[in-house]
Amino acid sequence: AQKITQTQPGMFVQEKEAVTLDCTYDTSDQSYGLFWYKQPSSGEMIFLIYQGSYDEQNATEGRYSLNFQKARKSANLVISASQLGDSAMYFCAMREGLTGGSYIPTFGRGTSLIVHP
Amino acid sequence: SAVISQKPSRDICQRGTSLTIQCQVDSQVTMMFWYRQQPGQSLTLIATANQGSEATYESGFVIDKFPISRPNLTFSTLTVSNMSPEDSSIYLCSEGGYTAGEQFFGPGTRLTVL
Repeated sequence: AQKITQTQPGMFVQEKEAVTLDCTYDTSDQSYGLFWYKQPSSGEMIFLIYQGSYDEQNATEGRYSLNFQKARKSANLVISASQLGDSAMYFCAMREGLTGGSYIPTFGRGTSLIVHP
Repeated sequence: SAVISQKPSRDICQRGTSLTIQCQVDSQVTMMFWYRQQPGQSLTLIATANQGSEATYESGFVIDKFPISRPNLTFSTLTVSNMSPEDSSIYLCSEGGYTAGEQFFGPGTRLTVL
C-alpha cells in the first residue's frame, strides 16, 4: 500500500485565488513528520512546510499552510493568493519512526500546479 | 537551515561511462540521502550514507552501480557507473538526522545519458 497518496495529478488555479493540494498518508507510527516540497522546472526541491504528528496547531509559512487532520490521516497544502511563480510540481512526503527509526522519508507522486494569469 | 550544494548541476554523458556527483552541506549532518528522480516520476531513495560506515542501499540499487563515499560529516559523493540511457534522471542529495523537522535538498544534478 502507498504510504503517501496524492490524488490530483494536475491542478489549475487563477492568479490570486487560493488552492488546496491533497495528501493522505498511511502509517501505524505515533511519531512522524509530514512535509511539502515545491519542484519548479529547474529540478530543485524547495522545502515549503513541515508538520509534526504531535503538533496541535496547523503549520503555516507565509502563504503556505498545512491543513492537518490526524484522524483522517490527511495533510493538505493550502496556498493562498496564488502567484504565477507558484506553477510547479508539489510533493507531499512523510518521515516515520521519529522515536528511534531511520527517518527515511517517503514521497508521493506529486501534483502539477499551473497558475493562470 | 542547511545549505546544500551539488556538482555538477547537469551533464550529458556517453553510454558506458561513469559520473561522480558531489554533495556538500554547510554544517555537519549525521545522515545524507541520495535520490533518483526519473523523468515525470517522484523521488526514489537510492541509499543512505552515514559517515564512517558503508552506505545502506534500497531494494533495486546496488553498490557496484551506485558507489557512494562519505568521508566526513559534510560531504558525500555518488557515482553512477557504466551508464545507460535509463540512468537519465535528476539525482538529488539530502541531509537527514535523528530528529523531526525540516529536511533540505541540494539543487540536483540533471543527468542525460546518450
